[in-house]
Amino acid sequence: DAGVIQSPRHEVTEMGQEVTLRCKPISGHDYLFWYRQTMMRGLELLIYFNNNVPIDDSGMPEDRFSAKMPNASFSTLKIQPSEPRDSAVYFCASSMTSVGEQFFGPGTRLTVL
Amino acid sequence: RKEVEQDPGPFNVPEGATVAFNCTYSNSASQSFFWYRQDCRKEPKLLMSVYSSGNEDGRFTAQLNRASQYISLLIRDSKLSDSATYLCVVNPYTGRRALTFGSGTRLQVQP
Repeated sequence: DAGVIQSPRHEVTEMGQEVTLRCKPISGHDYLFWYRQTMMRGLELLIYFNNNVPIDDSGMPEDRFSAKMPNASFSTLKIQPSEPRDSAVYFCASSMTSVGEQFFGPGTRLTVL
Repeated sequence: RKEVEQDPGPFNVPEGATVAFNCTYSNSASQSFFWYRQDCRKEPKLLMSVYSSGNEDGRFTAQLNRASQYISLLIRDSKLSDSATYLCVVNPYTGRRALTFGSGTRLQVQP
């Protein structure tokens, strides 16, 4: 298995631009999680899906952030418009249960100038 | 109070030393606990689960103290390759919440 796949691995954009991050979970995993990691705040859960349905989006910082999971093998996290404070590493993870081992992708390092 | 709290470190120890990290959690209803390891500029990976009776995996020992609401990780005979950030993870078992990750404790093993 290829593991969780994320793209792009690095993204540099200017303030105000739209950013779309992509994730392909491990096949057979029913749960998909989006996290953001910064030095100041550590690893924060943004949203998670079960069978493509959003279950808890209480961690989504504001309306500029949105996430979708149109099918079991693909999810996107979109930031529109982006701001410098959104600069962070964004991880996608998948698991078979909501409380079992999570397998993380390599992350997308986002820099908003 | 944060749901999961860890000493950020860094812990600087010589090779061969024994080092221990503690982590406290706020929700007494929490049921499951884990330690994840994160190497520099890499993704977190599961190191070990933490069971009520305590468990050991080679040089690593995890303990749970429910009364005081903390978990610990003991690393014996530290290796240079143990240098990483160790994340304490708790299942809060509250509503629809999923796992909650601590901010991590950084370990640097010196030659």
